[in-house]
Amino acid sequence: GENVEQHPSTLSVQEGDSAVIKCTYSDSASNYFPWYKQELGKGPQLIIDIRSNVGEKKDQRIAVTLNKTAKHFSLHITETQPEDSAVYFCAALSGYALNFGKGTSLLVTP
Amino acid sequence: DAGVIQSPRHEVTEMGQEVTLRCKPISGHNSLFWYRQTMMRGLELLIYFNNNVPIDDSGMPEDRFSAKMPNASFSTLKIQPSEPRDSAVYFCASSFDGTKYEQYFGPGTRLTVT
Repeated sequence: GENVEQHPSTLSVQEGDSAVIKCTYSDSASNYFPWYKQELGKGPQLIIDIRSNVGEKKDQRIAVTLNKTAKHFSLHITETQPEDSAVYFCAALSGYALNFGKGTSLLVTP
Repeated sequence: DAGVIQSPRHEVTEMGQEVTLRCKPISGHNSLFWYRQTMMRGLELLIYFNNNVPIDDSGMPEDRFSAKMPNASFSTLKIQPSEPRDSAVYFCASSFDGTKYEQYFGPGTRLTVT
């Protein structure tokens, strides 16, 4: 089945800096790659996604890039703010099943 | 829209007791998913329904777990009998079409089995 690896597991940045989280996947048939943000005590919240026919997508301070040949995709957050602190999960859709990475705990310090 | 609704938000029960978790998907969505989140295993899919029919239950840990979806607006996940290793956060998610569209998660039920 699909295997999604996510790095780093923890990331600490200063407010205003950029943060990058990287994921790799194994199933070449995967065609949809969402990113979720999970705050303490809450469910995962979809923040951005990308489909296999697109190489990059941007939404304000958040961008995602996809390299299908290398089977990796990345989340980029610019001008980070303390409220960006949370656990971020990447996922790859294989059929109907979302396979998640293990998560990255992002801490943005003022 | 109210989003995916789950109840209860927290459940504490003793080993051997029956536990029932409930989910109301987003109106108009025809795909429903139950996930379990633990520190050790992360987020893992338990079961997937499409148009109220269970399509894949291969993620259900064992026969103690069962799930139903009697109509488009309600689903249950039952554990009988519960065991301490079932302690986790259980999420329900829904989608307009599980193979094509975004999955939206509920707030989860934190289950503790003592």
